[in-house]
Amino acid sequence: DAGITQSPRYKITETGRQVTLMCHQTWSHSYMFWYRQDLGHGLRLIYYSAAADITDKGEVPDGYVVSRSKTENFPLTLESATRSQTSVYFCASVAPAGAYEQYFGPGTRLTVT
Amino acid sequence: AQRVTQPEKLLSVFKGAPVELKCNYSYSGSPELFWYVQYSRQRLQLLLRHISRESIKGFTADLNKGETSFHLKKPFAQEEDSAMYYCALRGGGSEKLVFGKGTKLTVNP
Repeated sequence: DAGITQSPRYKITETGRQVTLMCHQTWSHSYMFWYRQDLGHGLRLIYYSAAADITDKGEVPDGYVVSRSKTENFPLTLESATRSQTSVYFCASVAPAGAYEQYFGPGTRLTVT
Repeated sequence: AQRVTQPEKLLSVFKGAPVELKCNYSYSGSPELFWYVQYSRQRLQLLLRHISRESIKGFTADLNKGETSFHLKKPFAQEEDSAMYYCALRGGGSEKLVFGKGTKLTVNP
């Protein structure tokens, strides 16, 4: 299932470093999302994008930056990683209006030491 | 405000027993409710949504607007049902989903 992929799958970084998580989808879906999954918090929306060059904040955007210059890519950057950003990050996409199912990537497990 | 509450973090049942995963929501309009599932080492995937009123893998869920609930039920649990289950809400014409904190279901042999 290569429709939506994430890289890297695992990443260990140090506090203060910048790290970018990549998300790529092959369906030309207009909407894309970034979530973080934490024990006791479930899935929380970080940022989302309705189309190329259109992004908006979700529930927990602080410390993160996104861009979307191409429809198929939606990178998430942690500008200065902190230990509290240790999490599993999921990217998702959904087709234009009328569609209801979000398709998720396999996730990136990020550890900040 | 949109909120989804899954009161049970963990749920453990024996194979063949009925299972019910609870989900309550808070939303002023008419929401769309979903159940997503994450099996071990797999990505999240849609299990079912309230509009379709279908049964997937033996699971059903009925939207009860009076009780603002969308509980997931299965009459006879199987070991392969062991997974993390998330209830999610979409409302107001938005494409965004609000997820509950999830319930980890374990079906024991």
